[in-house]
Amino acid sequence: AQSVTQPDIHITVSEGASLELRCNYSYGATPYLFWYVQSPGQGLQLLLKYFSGDTLVQGIKGFEAEFKRSQSSFNLRKPSVHWSDAAEYFCAVGARSASKIIFGSGTRLSIRP
Amino acid sequence: NAGVMQNPRHLVRRRGQEARLRCSPMKGHSHVYWYRQLPEEGLKFMVYLQKENIIDESGMPKERFSAEFPKEGPSILRIQQVVRGDSAAYFCASSPPSTNEKLFFGSGTQLSVL
Repeated sequence: AQSVTQPDIHITVSEGASLELRCNYSYGATPYLFWYVQSPGQGLQLLLKYFSGDTLVQGIKGFEAEFKRSQSSFNLRKPSVHWSDAAEYFCAVGARSASKIIFGSGTRLSIRP
Repeated sequence: NAGVMQNPRHLVRRRGQEARLRCSPMKGHSHVYWYRQLPEEGLKFMVYLQKENIIDESGMPKERFSAEFPKEGPSILRIQQVVRGDSAAYFCASSPPSTNEKLFFGSGTQLSVL
């Protein structure tokens, strides 16, 4: 069965601190992996995606994520968070073709001044 | 180049009424996805459509819910005889033909059932 697990419902970090948001997936085929961000009252914006090749992918706003096949993980990282990073973050998985994208339940990030 | 447009932004219905949610994909996009977001939950896939075709409706409730994406005009998500449990944010996303490498999301429709 296809699924995405984000074990952390809510994380609070201090401004300037590093960040890692966890994501584990279960997928029968080779997955496409995504991280999206949602600001309050808004739709989702793509941060980064992984299809193949280098397992460390760079995204917008200084985010990066590392694909680890052995751990079925795709964790999102940022070396130094800014107050504007406070938002909901969703990990997602899909197939290598036009198909549905499955989202995790999200991790809400709060930034401590 | 307008993004994905959803309307209305907010929709209030009484129990038993019908709700129609509209989604105009980005120009050139022929694939539309509908998702539902309940409070404190993630996005739940509902349906994936191409022009005039339903490709995957595995996330749609068996009753009262339907979706279409006609040759002309927006995609419509229709909920008949709404109940309080239908209250949620409904998001539409679109993608270019034959790829889901990037979904472009609308700002959503917040449905409130009184």
